[in-house]
This record gives sequence, structure tokens and C-alpha cells, in this order.
Amino acid sequence: GENVEQHPSTLSVQEGDSAVIKCTYSDSASNYFPWYKQELGKGPQLIIDIRSNVGEKKDQRIAVTLNKTAKHFSLHITETQPEDSAVYFCAASRAGGTSYGKLTFGQGTILTVHP
Amino acid sequence: AAGVIQSPRHLIKEKRETATLKCYPIPRHDTVYWYQQGPGQDPQFLISFYEKMQSDKGSIPDRFSAQQFSDYHSELNMSSLELGDSALYFCASSPGLAGTYEQYFGPGTRLTVT
Repeated sequence: GENVEQHPSTLSVQEGDSAVIKCTYSDSASNYFPWYKQELGKGPQLIIDIRSNVGEKKDQRIAVTLNKTAKHFSLHITETQPEDSAVYFCAASRAGGTSYGKLTFGQGTILTVHP
Repeated sequence: AAGVIQSPRHLIKEKRETATLKCYPIPRHDTVYWYQQGPGQDPQFLISFYEKMQSDKGSIPDRFSAQQFSDYHSELNMSSLELGDSALYFCASSPGLAGTYEQYFGPGTRLTVT
């Protein structure tokens, strides 16, 4: 089955700095890679995703890049703000056709943005 | 916008008791997923349903069962509860196979087994 590795496990930055979280996956058939933000006591919130036919996607201060050959993808957050502090999870799935897209998550990154 | 609704939000049960968790997907979403998240862990896939049929199964114990009803809501039934079942249980819904893969998570049910 799919295995997703996520690094770093904790990340501490100053407000205004950039943050980068990296993930690798094992199943070359995976084609959908979402990122979730989870605040304490809440459910994971989808913040951005990328499909295997795209190399990069950006949404305001958040961007995701995908390298299919190397089987890794990354989340980039620019101009970080204290409210960006949360646990971030990457995930991978094989979706479409006869596959129903169950997500395999990375271990999570605790991001702390200091004012 | 409407979100995934889960009930109850908190549940305390004793060992060997039974629990039922409910999930109401976003309107017009026909696919439901259940995940279990232990303390400090990532969510682990349990089971999913598409159009009221089980579509995939993960590391779900035989003591657990689930179903999706005609109105697309889903229930996760857990019997013979063990201390290790204490966790957050999330339901996620998706528009299904119509080319969209996004899963939207509910707020979760925190199950505590004593």
C-alpha cells in the first residue's frame, strides 16, 4: 500500500518568514495530493491540493509543488502569520476510475509562527 | 457553505459497550469516508461508501461496522469497545467519482473509552 513520509515534524518560524514542508510517497499510481491544516480540537481543513498532471499550484500565500519522478511534493507558505500556526498534514491518494480515493496521510508537521 | 456534520461531538463509553457515530455529508456529496485519529497521530482510513455501497476498507476492526443510508448519511457502529478505541473519529465527504477528488472533513467525534 501507499506510504507517505513527511518532514519536518516540527517547524518554528518568525512572522513574515516562509515555511516549507516536504513529503514523499511510495505508490507511483497515486495521482492526487492534498494538504490539510488541523487546528486543535478541529477536523482537518483542506487548504490546497495538486493532481499528478500539474507541477505547481498557487493560492495566495500558499503553493504546492509536485515532482512525480522523484515522488515528492512540498507545501510552501510565504509571509507566515501567527494564525498559520497549526498541524499540517500531507496526503496521497489514487483517485478516479475504480479507485475511490482513500487518503494516506503523512505524520504531520507542527508549525509555530512566532509574532 | 454547508459542512459535514458529525454527532455526537463527544462520547464517553465503558469497555465492552457499544457506540454509534453519525455523519451527515455535505449536500449532493455521495461518497463518505471514515478515519480514526489517535492522540498525536495522523488520520487512518477505516472505510468508505459510494452511493450507499461499501467502496473501500482499511484497517477497520471486525468489531466495527458501518453503512450509508438512502439519504447518504452514514453511521459507524462500534461494539465491544476497548481502551485502545479512544480516539477522534472523522467523517469526510466527497462529490464522488465525477472527476473531483476533494474530501471535506467534519469536526469529528471524540470517543473516550474508560
